[in-house]
Amino acid sequence: NAGVTQTPKFRILKIGQSMTLQCTQDMNHNYMYWYRQDPGMGLKLIYYSVGAGITDKGEVPNGYNVSRSTTEDFPLRLELAAPSQTSVYFCASSYLSGGRAGNEQFFGPGTRLTVL
Amino acid sequence: GENVEQHPSTLSVQEGDSAVIKCTYSDSASNYFPWYKQELGKRPQLIIDIRSNVGEKKDQRIAVTLNKTAKHFSLHITETQPEDSAVYFCAATGGGADGLTFGKGTHLIIQP
Repeated sequence: NAGVTQTPKFRILKIGQSMTLQCTQDMNHNYMYWYRQDPGMGLKLIYYSVGAGITDKGEVPNGYNVSRSTTEDFPLRLELAAPSQTSVYFCASSYLSGGRAGNEQFFGPGTRLTVL
Repeated sequence: GENVEQHPSTLSVQEGDSAVIKCTYSDSASNYFPWYKQELGKRPQLIIDIRSNVGEKKDQRIAVTLNKTAKHFSLHITETQPEDSAVYFCAATGGGADGLTFGKGTHLIIQP
C-alpha cells in the first residue's frame, strides 16, 4: 500500500492564482482531512470528509474548497491565492473517527506552498 | 470548540535521561489523545495514543498518561536517544467526525 500520497511536493504561486492540491489514499478509509501547518505551529484543520459526497468545514476553511467524488481522492482547491496561505498542507485519512479504535489518522508527505 | 495547550515549547535533555511533555485540553467530551512525532521536513508520525477509558499506556520507552478529571495528558520518553530529537505534537478529538485539534508542539533536543 502506498498509504496517503500528495502532489505536488512544492509549489510557488503568485497572488491571485489558483491551484488544486491532490490527495489520494489506498487504504479504503472513509474519513479524510486537510490540515495546514504554519512555521513553528501545530496543524489546523481546513476541511474534512466522512465519505464520498460529504464534506464539512474545519477551523480555518476560508479561501479553500474541497470535493470528494470517490473514496480515494480528496482534492483541496485554492482560489485567488494570498500570502496568508503560504504554509505546508497535509492530507490525512482514517478508517473511523472520534474515539473509536480504527480512528488513527495517517498523514501524507505534505505540499509546501509559497504565495508571492 | 476544543483547545489544546502544550508545554514546554522546547525541551533539552541529556542523552539517557527522561523527557516529559504535558498537554491540557478544554472539551470534556474529547476521548482520544494521540501523540505525533515530526522530524524536520517530514510528515507527522503517530507514535502512541490513548483513549478515555484508559489511564496509562506504554510502548517500550514511550508512555502516555491521561487524567480526565484534570483534563490533561502527558508523554513520557525514558532513556532518551539522539533519534528522539524531533518536534512532538499532542492532539485531542471528541466523538464527532471532525479532525484532531493539535497543540503547538514541543521541540525535543537530545544533548550528547
